Amino acid sequence: GEDVEQSLFLSVREGDSSVINCTYTDSSSTYLYWYKQEPGAGLQLLTYIFSNMDMKQDQRLTVLLNKKDKHLSLRIADTQTGDSAIYFCAIDRGSTLGRLYFGRGTQLTVWP
Amino acid sequence: DGGITQSPKYLFRKEGQNVTLSCEQNLNHDAMYWYRQDPGQGLRLIYYSQIVNDFQKGDIAEGYSVSREKKESFPLTVTSAQKNPTAFYLCASSNPTGFSNQPQHFGDGTRLSIL
Repeated sequence: GEDVEQSLFLSVREGDSSVINCTYTDSSSTYLYWYKQEPGAGLQLLTYIFSNMDMKQDQRLTVLLNKKDKHLSLRIADTQTGDSAIYFCAIDRGSTLGRLYFGRGTQLTVWP
Repeated sequence: DGGITQSPKYLFRKEGQNVTLSCEQNLNHDAMYWYRQDPGQGLRLIYYSQIVNDFQKGDIAEGYSVSREKKESFPLTVTSAQKNPTAFYLCASSNPTGFSNQPQHFGDGTRLSIL
């Protein structure tokens, strides 16, 4: 199976909260990341969480980490149409050499 | 501003032709990476380099080649042996420093198509 799994699609109404989920198999990661990709562009780092944390909040973004269940989530509060994009979860699997392992991405569509 | 520049943005390849995608970074990062992105497939690692004059194969290196002669440059050649090269190619860099945070920073990509 995949090292990192995500649902492929999520649709929400503007103003609602979005929750994008990610599960992974390797428990050795030090840092776990969320990236955003807009159409035709590269990936933009949104936020990250250190493995000894359960939660990290950054303005509208909240990252939750459940190490026991190997589950990572990204909550976007007050979702806007500009948040429509593909969101990637990435883990480092404990590598100190810089390599990251990405999920397939979740396409978030925000309806007005 | 510091960043990663990929060129060209669009590239077309004829059958049997090699093409080279450029990636330049001025972030002073040691490590650089090439990914291929196909719809619904996410990112797949082609090659990566941790230091100058050294590089390793990723998960899908067949049909591709790279060089790392300078710290700031990591060009990718898509050879004629790559039978299905149509994809979006992304270059990234990072500065691995042991156990500290080491996110990868990405360029804007090159879209390669077959003529």
